Amino acid sequence: QVQLQESGPGLVKPSETLSLSCTVSGGSISSYYWTWIRQPPGKGLEWIGHISYSGITNYSPSLRRRATISVDTSKNQFSLKLTSVTATDTAVYFCARGYSYGPGLGFDYWGQGILVTVS
Amino acid sequence: SSELTQDPAVSVALGQTVRITCQGDSLRIYYVSWYQQKPGQAPVLVIFGKNNRPSGIPDRFSGSRSGNTASLTITGAQAEDEADYYCMSRDSSGNHYVFGSGTTVTV
Repeated sequence: QVQLQESGPGLVKPSETLSLSCTVSGGSISSYYWTWIRQPPGKGLEWIGHISYSGITNYSPSLRRRATISVDTSKNQFSLKLTSVTATDTAVYFCARGYSYGPGLGFDYWGQGILVTVS
Repeated sequence: SSELTQDPAVSVALGQTVRITCQGDSLRIYYVSWYQQKPGQAPVLVIFGKNNRPSGIPDRFSGSRSGNTASLTITGAQAEDEADYYCMSRDSSGNHYVFGSGTTVTV
């Protein structure tokens, strides 16, 4: 059974960099699209971006200039860095596995989420 | 505002049928995936592609698409189906992904 687990600081100061990791267990990280999604308190889901099994990244246009997603296959981990954070970046951050079914993606496994507060 | 539009809330009587819709220009080309999210939990994939259910998802959940509108139908809604539901697909450029605004289903 594939499991994902987010880790990182729960509190980040404004203007600093948010850094999160997602550890994948029960499966290889050498396939699929490894994705970050966030959800501000009481609001909807926002796709941040993903890194493919071949190392190609794809980011939301609204976050492209501040977000970086990387993968460490030796640790079965992928990571998110978000620079210059403000209070609007306060959210629960989820990591997820993206499964390609042709032209689309389905996120079939999710981490439990980690609340990051910018204050 | 999201490129994928959903009704904010719908209600359904126990055992009845409810349809949740998702509208967007990109849906004329791309299929959606649908997610169920209960309070304090991570979302769960319930439908992807034309009408595919992951293992473990009850067959009362089904998906369809017509024009620029995708639908998730729950046939014979149960109390445990009360949740927020989100659609997800490519954006209008086709290069990125976007979630719908979400629909709260009350049973």
